[in-house]
Amino acid sequence: DVKVTQSSRYLVKRTGEKVFLECVQDMDHENMFWYRQDPGLGLRLIYFSYDVKMKEKGDIPEGYSVSREKKERFSLILESASTNQTSMYLCASSLPGLGQGTQYFGPGTRLLVL
Amino acid sequence: SQQGEEDPQALSIQEGENATMNCSYKTSINNLQWYRQNSGRGLVHLILIRSNEREKHSGRLRVTLDTSKKSSSLLITASRAADTASYFCATDSTGTYKYIFGTGTRLKVLA
Repeated sequence: DVKVTQSSRYLVKRTGEKVFLECVQDMDHENMFWYRQDPGLGLRLIYFSYDVKMKEKGDIPEGYSVSREKKERFSLILESASTNQTSMYLCASSLPGLGQGTQYFGPGTRLLVL
Repeated sequence: SQQGEEDPQALSIQEGENATMNCSYKTSINNLQWYRQNSGRGLVHLILIRSNEREKHSGRLRVTLDTSKKSSSLLITASRAADTASYFCATDSTGTYKYIFGTGTRLKVLA
């Protein structure tokens, strides 16, 4: 059964802290994605990766970085958390290639930055 | 407005009725997908329709795609309380890895 897991369901951090969100998939997918979801704004793409050590900026990369050292793991890093990064963060993976379709999502991490 | 906008934003129906949601997009696509999200959870893929397809069925779901109008609709027939969720369309852009999600339609099915 397809599975994408995220390291935490809920996280509370202080302004200025460095925050790591981990995502692991067991489907051997090349593509992995990080989104944030905010009310009224839908899902917005932060970063994606189409191979190990490869990454590309999405629509809202400012304040974030990513790491993909292994195929199954894609980490999102908030270098210095700010209150406007309070959000739901969703990780997804998909098969390789352009327009390959189905994205498999993790359960999400709800981050609160105080 | 952004690619992949759903309409209506919210929909409330009685159990057993049909629910129809629409999605509009702006650029050429390879495929369009519909996802469901239960409250506070991740998204679950429902159905994918390719740009050369006009209609697709999966169980109680029926999706249509009109590339000339850049629009799609999702029909859920004989709705159940368990169908209560938010529904999102997602479109890729030809030549990119990105998928663009709309803001979703919140469906409430009353028992």
